[in-house]
Amino acid sequence: DGGITQSPKYLFRKEGQNVTLSCEQNLNHDAMYWYRQDPGQGLRLIYYSQIVNDFQKGDIAEGYSVSREKKESFPLTVTSAQKNPTAFYLCASYGGRADGELFFGEGSRLTVL
Amino acid sequence: GESVGLHLPTLSVQEGDNSIINCAYSNSASDYFIWYKQESGKGPQFIIDIRSNMDKRQGQRVTVLLNKTVKHLSLQIAATQPGDSAVYFCAENMRNQGGKLIFGQGTELSVKP
Repeated sequence: DGGITQSPKYLFRKEGQNVTLSCEQNLNHDAMYWYRQDPGQGLRLIYYSQIVNDFQKGDIAEGYSVSREKKESFPLTVTSAQKNPTAFYLCASYGGRADGELFFGEGSRLTVL
Repeated sequence: GESVGLHLPTLSVQEGDNSIINCAYSNSASDYFIWYKQESGKGPQFIIDIRSNMDKRQGQRVTVLLNKTVKHLSLQIAATQPGDSAVYFCAENMRNQGGKLIFGQGTELSVKP
C-alpha cells in the first residue's frame, strides 16, 4: 500500500548531539513537509520541499536542516542548535491537488536527555 | 514567545450522543478547510474537508459547517463511539499554497461508554 514511513518511532539522544529523522513516501508526491507538535498544541511547520533539490523554511526552521536529494525521501536533522528539541515530529506529503489535503506519517518522538 | 504545556480544550460526551467540535480560523483569505483526527501517538488522519464556496458538507457520520462571516468551522459527529476518542484539529489553507496548512490548537474528545 502507498504511504509515508517515518523512522525511528522513538529516539533518545543526549543534549548536544545531532539526530536525523527519516521520512520516505511511495505516493509519488512532489511536495513533502515536516511539522513539529508539542503537548497541547497544534502542528507547526519546520521545513517543506515542493520539488526535488529544493526546500524552504517554515515557521520554526531554526536549529533544523533538511535535504531533498530524492523524490521519495525528505530527512530532517535536528541539530544541537535547536534549543528545545524534545517533541513529536510529523512528516507529510501533498499530492498536488488544488486543495491542501496532507498525508501524514505516524510520527517520530524525540526525547533529548 | 512560545507557549509550552497548554491544556487542550476538551469535550466529554456519552457514547451514542452527538458531538460538536468548534474551531475559529484566523485568515479571512483561507478558502479550504480540513478536519483531522489524531489518536494518541499517531499521525493525523483526514476526516473531511470543505471549500469556502460551501457552508455544509456531509460525510459518513460527520458533518462540517463553515461560517465565513465569523470565521468559524465546526465538526459534528453523530452517534459518537468510543473509537472517536482522539484529538481533532481544524486546518486552513489558501489556494495555491499547496500543503502549507495552518493548524488550530486542537480539541480532545473523550467518549464515555
